[in-house]
Amino acid sequence: GENVEQHPSTLSVQEGDSAVIKCTYSDSASNYFPWYKQELGKRPQLIIDIRSNVGEKKDQRIAVTLNKTAKHFSLHITETQPEDSAVYFCAATSYAHTDKLIFGTGTRLQVFP
Amino acid sequence: DAGVIQSPRHEVTEMGQEVTLRCKPISGHNSLFWYRQTMMRGLELLIYFNNNVPIDDSGMPEDRFSAKMPNASFSTLKIQPSEPRDSAVYFCASSPTQGVSYEQYFGPGTRLTVT
Repeated sequence: GENVEQHPSTLSVQEGDSAVIKCTYSDSASNYFPWYKQELGKRPQLIIDIRSNVGEKKDQRIAVTLNKTAKHFSLHITETQPEDSAVYFCAATSYAHTDKLIFGTGTRLQVFP
Repeated sequence: DAGVIQSPRHEVTEMGQEVTLRCKPISGHNSLFWYRQTMMRGLELLIYFNNNVPIDDSGMPEDRFSAKMPNASFSTLKIQPSEPRDSAVYFCASSPTQGVSYEQYFGPGTRLTVT
């Protein structure tokens, strides 16, 4: 079955710096890759997603890139702000087989003012 | 729209007791997912339904766990008997489309503590 690995587990940056979180997946049939943000004590919420027919997607300060050959995808946050501090989860699924999302283990991002 | 609704928000129970968690998905969504989140194991999918039918229950830890979806607007996750290792946050999520991977909308979660 699908396996998703996420790195790093923790990431500390200064406000204004960029942050990059990387994930790899195992199922070459995977074609949907969402990123969720979970603030302390809150529910996970989708912040951006990408499908396998696209190599990059941007939404203001966040962007996701996908390399299908290498089976990895990354989240990029530019001009980080303290409110970006949260746990970020990547996920992957193959709609050809299932609606399941397989989540990575999460990255705790801390942005220091 | 009120979003995905879960109840109770917090549950404290003694080992051996039955626990029932409830979820109301977003109206019109036809997929429903139950997740368990712990520090040690992260976010785990327990079971998911499509059009009220269980599709994949491979994540259900053991026979003590059961889930039902009697209609499109209600689902339950039951643990009987409960054990301290079941302590976790249980999330319900719903998604609008069968067969195509769209956003999953999570409920606020139920924090379960088994003493």
